[in-house]
Amino acid sequence: GAGVSQSPSNKVTEKGKDVELRCDPISGHTALYWYRQSLGQGLEFLIYFQGNSAPDKSGLPSDRFSAERTGGSVSTLTIQRTQQEDSAVYLCASTRGPDRAQYFGPGTRLLVL
Amino acid sequence: GIQVEQSPPDLILQEGANSTLRCNFSDSVNNLQWFHQNPWGQLINLFYIPSGTKQNGRLSATTVATERYSLLYISSSQTTDSGVYFCAALGNTPLVFGKGTRLSVIA
Repeated sequence: GAGVSQSPSNKVTEKGKDVELRCDPISGHTALYWYRQSLGQGLEFLIYFQGNSAPDKSGLPSDRFSAERTGGSVSTLTIQRTQQEDSAVYLCASTRGPDRAQYFGPGTRLLVL
Repeated sequence: GIQVEQSPPDLILQEGANSTLRCNFSDSVNNLQWFHQNPWGQLINLFYIPSGTKQNGRLSATTVATERYSLLYISSSQTTDSGVYFCAALGNTPLVFGKGTRLSVIA
């Protein structure tokens, strides 16, 4: 597509439920990033995929968070047993390579009640 | 890892005024980007500028990599320039964002 897309746009869930967030990167972009932005804050790096290499998971805040990227394209971020502190905007970005400009999707706004 | 600091944290401008936003980073970088986050939360690329100067309309940016800072210039500001401006730097770790400068342009 023309840009990075994310779904759903908004997600409201109950504490303890699992959620899946999806990211479709720009076609041809080999690198994909997930970030989290809490209200009024900057962006916090979560995880990074580059081609077929093992992902950099150093930013994941707990083992309740996981992500995968199938076929080098679409990525899914899964949060298990959601907590209220997981409420944030989850942003995905893609790029042609690790030193190239990153392009962001519109984000998924997650609210955990 | 790299530390990124932005200043000022908040800025209020009268429409038509000029401004300079600053980004300092703690180590050498391979990538330096400026973004504008609009009131709807969308992050919009402004500049990819690891070094040198670039201009795009009323906006321009300069990165002096040897002195570890970057500047974003906004001239003749408009109300639509309001939002948060983020600087982000990439060294040997994924992109590190500053806390942003919140700009409010009033008519």
